[in-house]
Amino acid sequence: SQQGEEDPQALSIQEGENATMNCSYKTSINNLQWYRQNSGRGLVHLILIRSNEREKHSGRLRVTLDTSKKSSSLLITASRAADTASYFCAKGDDKIIFGKGTRLHILP
Amino acid sequence: EAQVTQNPRYLITVTGKKLTVTCSQNMNHEYMSWYRQDPGLGLRQIYYSMNVEVTDKGDVPEGYKVSRKEKRNFPLILESPSPNQTSLYFCASSLSSGMNEQFFGPGTRLTVL
Repeated sequence: SQQGEEDPQALSIQEGENATMNCSYKTSINNLQWYRQNSGRGLVHLILIRSNEREKHSGRLRVTLDTSKKSSSLLITASRAADTASYFCAKGDDKIIFGKGTRLHILP
Repeated sequence: EAQVTQNPRYLITVTGKKLTVTCSQNMNHEYMSWYRQDPGLGLRQIYYSMNVEVTDKGDVPEGYKVSRKEKRNFPLILESPSPNQTSLYFCASSLSSGMNEQFFGPGTRLTVL
């Protein structure tokens, strides 16, 4: 399978803590994207990082990319209950490969 | 409002009965795509389209057909549905390719008995 792998598969943390999710992939990329999905709904785009970028920020989100290790990480700082969702990485230009996702649960 | 719409949202059908799931976007996007989502497997791409009359296979195209006769519409056709096609289906579109942000529809939950 060409699917990327997110890890961990599931993560529970206290509100206010930081959450880190990782994504590994097998073939070279031009860009990598992260998406969020709330309970069975459509995915929402979070951030895109290109292969020549090492780090990108968007609000409380920080994404890093290490092309030598073929991996990316998504950091959510100061987590909130509303961050409870599944998070997916996706790679590809036209044919898109999604990972299997990390289920994040923020505990009150 | 910019959006991707899918119909129906829920469908229960029987093996072998042809069905079509419609997808429409109002953002003048060139790229459209269909995915299925199954527990533990994440999203897998079925077909995608770079523009009108241009379609290509994704990772799991078997048992599905698509067409792109107009820019805004990208229907998914199951000629002879089988129980292993029971899944949650998503349509998505983006400006010019999969490299751009994709906008997802609300999903269609299909059950094939």
